[in-house]
Amino acid sequence: AQTVTQSQPEMSVQEAETVTLSCTYDTSESDYYLFWYKQPPSRQMILVIRQEAYKQQNATENRFSVNFQKAAKSFSLKISDSQLGDAAMYFCAYRRRSEKLVFGKGTKLTVNP
Amino acid sequence: GAVVSQHPSWVICKSGTSVKIECRSLDFQATTMFWYRQFPKQSLMLMATSNEGSKATYEQGVEKDKFLINHASLTLSTLTVTSAHPEDSSFYICSARPGADQPQHFGDGTRLSIL
Repeated sequence: AQTVTQSQPEMSVQEAETVTLSCTYDTSESDYYLFWYKQPPSRQMILVIRQEAYKQQNATENRFSVNFQKAAKSFSLKISDSQLGDAAMYFCAYRRRSEKLVFGKGTKLTVNP
Repeated sequence: GAVVSQHPSWVICKSGTSVKIECRSLDFQATTMFWYRQFPKQSLMLMATSNEGSKATYEQGVEKDKFLINHASLTLSTLTVTSAHPEDSSFYICSARPGADQPQHFGDGTRLSIL
């Protein structure tokens, strides 16, 4: 069974600085998707970024970018110029096409002013 | 973008009553919707996968008779917590995706409190 591991239960960053959240996953498949979701205190799940495994280029969405290392099965999220509104739980997730999402346990990010 | 609406956002009811939660995809059709439960400070736990026009697929350990799921149309799925008890109190979130290759989008969740 596929598993997703987020080894950092909590992280903190100073406002305007950069932080990287780690995620590793275990799969024997070659075609799949990876996601980072953000859950602020409001508890709404917000899609931050997605990556298709067949694409070598790392996905980027404004201040958010990923470092996708397929061979190492690693999918880290980098947040640049951190803002107070970035404070949230961040969940890494894996999915094969047409199948269900597998979530990591999450990383709580605190942004210090 | 794809929007998923979930209603109600918060419900408080007495033990023994049944509670229905609605999940709607507002601007896309979803043949598949997902229901999750989330305990405080934990990740999302998939309860069941709801398929339009057919029976839901429940995850291991989830009581089918306790959590009734109906997916009557391509834009609506409902979760009914039957004979709710305090231990059913939790945060329930639904999700849907426009297509097999598309990401899942989530509703805002329902905070259920059983007294």
